[in-house]
Amino acid sequence: AQSVTQLDSHVSVSEGTPVLLRCNYSSSYSPSLFWYVQHPNKGLQLLLKYTSAATLVKGINGFEAEFKKSETSFHLTKPSAHMSDAAEYFCVVSKAAGNKLTFGGGTRVLVKP
Amino acid sequence: EPEVTQTPSHQVTQMGQEVILRCVPISNHLYFYWYRQILGQKVEFLVSFYNNEISEKSEIFDDQFSVERPDGSNFTLKIRSTKLEDSAMYFCASSELASGGTDTQYFGPGTRLTVL
Repeated sequence: AQSVTQLDSHVSVSEGTPVLLRCNYSSSYSPSLFWYVQHPNKGLQLLLKYTSAATLVKGINGFEAEFKKSETSFHLTKPSAHMSDAAEYFCVVSKAAGNKLTFGGGTRVLVKP
Repeated sequence: EPEVTQTPSHQVTQMGQEVILRCVPISNHLYFYWYRQILGQKVEFLVSFYNNEISEKSEIFDDQFSVERPDGSNFTLKIRSTKLEDSAMYFCASSELASGGTDTQYFGPGTRLTVL
């Protein structure tokens, strides 16, 4: 079985300040981990993925995430928030190719000018 | 850049009616999926489809649901007799069969289903 917990349902940051979105996972095997973003009235867009290569993963739009097996965490960060980063972010786990994705509850990010 | 498309963007139906949600996956992809997101809840897996058959389904995917790939491009989700609780955003996704055991699922923009 697999599960994902996003520790914050809402995060508010000021433009230009760092963003940290926290995610913990539970899995009985070596998982693939993803972060997806959903802008208002849009579909889910892949930000980045971890697939057992480098533990620090770089994604689009300046986001990166670090896989820490000992902490079962996959936190998402960005050094400097932009207004366009306002969206909902989902941490997701998968067992392997062709397998279902299990989503966290999502973190809604608000960026203040 | 190739993308997954879904039609319609919004569907309103009466309880008990049948609905068909349509998806066009990315053309060289081999795995297809349906997920749904009830308002205020998590995105939930419904079903995965590979090689013209269901490869995995969740407990949500009961006899009221069916999937089909009627031709070489479309992938459909049918709900035979809709209930109020079927109201949700339905997302289609597709992925390539990648070697090494990893895949990326690409999502469509979703169909918002409202059952009255």
